[in-house]
Amino acid sequence: AQSVTQLGSHVSVSEGALVLLRCNYSSSVPPYLFWYVQYPNQGLQLLLKYTSAATLVKGINGFEAEFKKSETSFHLTKPSAHMSDAAEYFCAVTDDTGGFKTIFGAGTRLFVKA
Amino acid sequence: DGGITQSPKYLFRKEGQNVTLSCEQNLNHDAMYWYRQDPGQGLRLIYYSQIVNDFQKGDIAEGYSVSREKKESFPLTVTSAQKNPTAFYLCASSIEQGEAFFGQGTRLTVV
Repeated sequence: AQSVTQLGSHVSVSEGALVLLRCNYSSSVPPYLFWYVQYPNQGLQLLLKYTSAATLVKGINGFEAEFKKSETSFHLTKPSAHMSDAAEYFCAVTDDTGGFKTIFGAGTRLFVKA
Repeated sequence: DGGITQSPKYLFRKEGQNVTLSCEQNLNHDAMYWYRQDPGQGLRLIYYSQIVNDFQKGDIAEGYSVSREKKESFPLTVTSAQKNPTAFYLCASSIEQGEAFFGQGTRLTVV
């Protein structure tokens, strides 16, 4: 069965520091991968998606993620954290049986210290 | 503007009551989903629908029911059989293999 593992339920960085949120997935076929962001009491918004084109994917708000098939990873990075980046981040993968289902990771809450 | 609208934003339920959460989309997406979110547990799939008049149970369907009579609408009923309904409920829609578009959520509280 497919799964998505996000390492670290909480990550804390200083403002201006590198943000690295880790995501590993399992899939029997090349997957579609996504990162979403959720601010308190709101729905999820798409940050970026990988759909088998370029392995380095750029998203909104300065985030990017690199698909590494050999490591089955899709880690999210941002060179310099801003206070407004404080939120919960979810990695997700489409169901490898095809169709519409998406499998979400448990989420990582990012804290940004001044 | 295209998007997903959930209503109400906050909902209070008495013990033993059924309540219905509304979800409407104007994105012309075939698939719609309901997720439940509890602190520290990520998103758990309740029900999903890939086409009008058809839907499938997700991982935690017990105590919930849905209908899909129109492409645009996918209401969720939380029945009295759901013993712990207090949570944040999220509705989403997508095309096949596409990203999900989410509503703003409904926070349900049992009083």
